[in-house]
Amino acid sequence: ETGVTQSPTHLIKTRGQQVTLRCSSQSGHNTVSWYQQALGQGPQFIFQYYREEENGRGNFPPRFSGLQFPNYSSELNVNALELDDSALYLCASSLARLAAQETQYFGPGTRLLVL
Amino acid sequence: RKEVEQDPGPFNVPEGATVAFNCTYSNSASQSFFWYRQDCRKEPKLLMSVYSSGNEDGRFTAQLNRASQYISLLIRDSKLSDSATYLCVVNGQDTDKLIFGTGTRLQVFP
Repeated sequence: ETGVTQSPTHLIKTRGQQVTLRCSSQSGHNTVSWYQQALGQGPQFIFQYYREEENGRGNFPPRFSGLQFPNYSSELNVNALELDDSALYLCASSLARLAAQETQYFGPGTRLLVL
Repeated sequence: RKEVEQDPGPFNVPEGATVAFNCTYSNSASQSFFWYRQDCRKEPKLLMSVYSSGNEDGRFTAQLNRASQYISLLIRDSKLSDSATYLCVVNGQDTDKLIFGTGTRLQVFP
């Protein structure tokens, strides 16, 4: 087990709604990254937080936003949901400020279906 | 051109076979290279990092060719439990993010 948990495990929403996904990182891991994995694709980087500040962002629109809290938990918020937002959302925690430099530990993911 | 490209497979091999996956990347400045394994409907898990000199972990060997910008994963003596999707991962233009390939699916049959 990686020690990274995510909730909920599954979620169904309708187009236009808003959703909040949650992640609890390994204790001591100051960096959390969020990824979107569509069916048949590899995970795509959404953004990364280090000590509660955004520390890098992928090619996702502003309706994807996040928060990181001092207790190693974090949130991914998506506004104005679109059908294409249906995917597995993964969070990953790591020790280093630059997550690309070392092992990332993934949570089990949240499966989001937008109808 | 995609930043990280992999053959999606599937590769169907018998138990005991040797199988190799290749992956190419576009950013010549990339410094971090990994192979992750993802089981069906599960999260990715680090299989191994890839070092410039190549590295081995049991039945798994990873190699990096910077000149040609590709990395490889060799699996010897395949087991049924090796059936999974193998994701090639490279750091992108911005060193703070990882770029995943689409993955190569391996199915080992008895």
